[in-house]
Amino acid sequence: ELKVEQNPLFLSMQEGKNYTIYCNYSTTSDRLYWYRQDPGKSLESLFVLLSNGAVKQEGRLMASLDTKARLSTLHITAAVHDLSATYFCAVMEYGNKLVFGAGTILRVKS
Amino acid sequence: NAGVTQTPKFRVLKTGQSMTLLCAQDMNHEYMYWYRQDPGMGLRLIHYSVGEGTTAKGEVPDGYNVSRLKKQNFLLGLESAAPSQTSVYFCASSRTGLYEQFFGPGTRLTVL
Repeated sequence: ELKVEQNPLFLSMQEGKNYTIYCNYSTTSDRLYWYRQDPGKSLESLFVLLSNGAVKQEGRLMASLDTKARLSTLHITAAVHDLSATYFCAVMEYGNKLVFGAGTILRVKS
Repeated sequence: NAGVTQTPKFRVLKTGQSMTLLCAQDMNHEYMYWYRQDPGMGLRLIHYSVGEGTTAKGEVPDGYNVSRLKKQNFLLGLESAAPSQTSVYFCASSRTGLYEQFFGPGTRLTVL
């Protein structure tokens, strides 16, 4: 059974600082997705990582995937208040189903 | 394009009542999914469908039924609601199972 663990679960950071969210998973998969959720809203797709070594960047966010280590990272560069949200990683398991992590609540303080 | 829509947005039920949640997508996607989101637990898959007329169980299917009579619609039914089914329900769709999923706005359900 695939397990997906995110850490930290809560992150409070100052504007302008850098930080990384980690997503570990327990069984082999080569497809990983990052989503963002604002309070009371739906999930918005951020990144789709499809192979070992994949790296995607959008603005101040950069995601990477290491399938051998079963690890994905979401790196935040020079955080701004607008990045405050909950971030989920989700891993594709056998049968084309997604298993989600518990989410990381990010609060960026000015 | 409206994307993925869900009806209703909010609902309050009494224990034992039944209801149906409707999900509709206009992207001609083959796959559709129902999730529930509870605090601190991420999203958990209830049921999914890989095409019109097909359904399959996800991680937490007990107490729910689904139907996919038309490609664009996916219905989630609660036959006898229980307080443990208080949650936010999200519908999603994808072109196939390998593509990213697009989510609807959610339905907040409270069972008293």
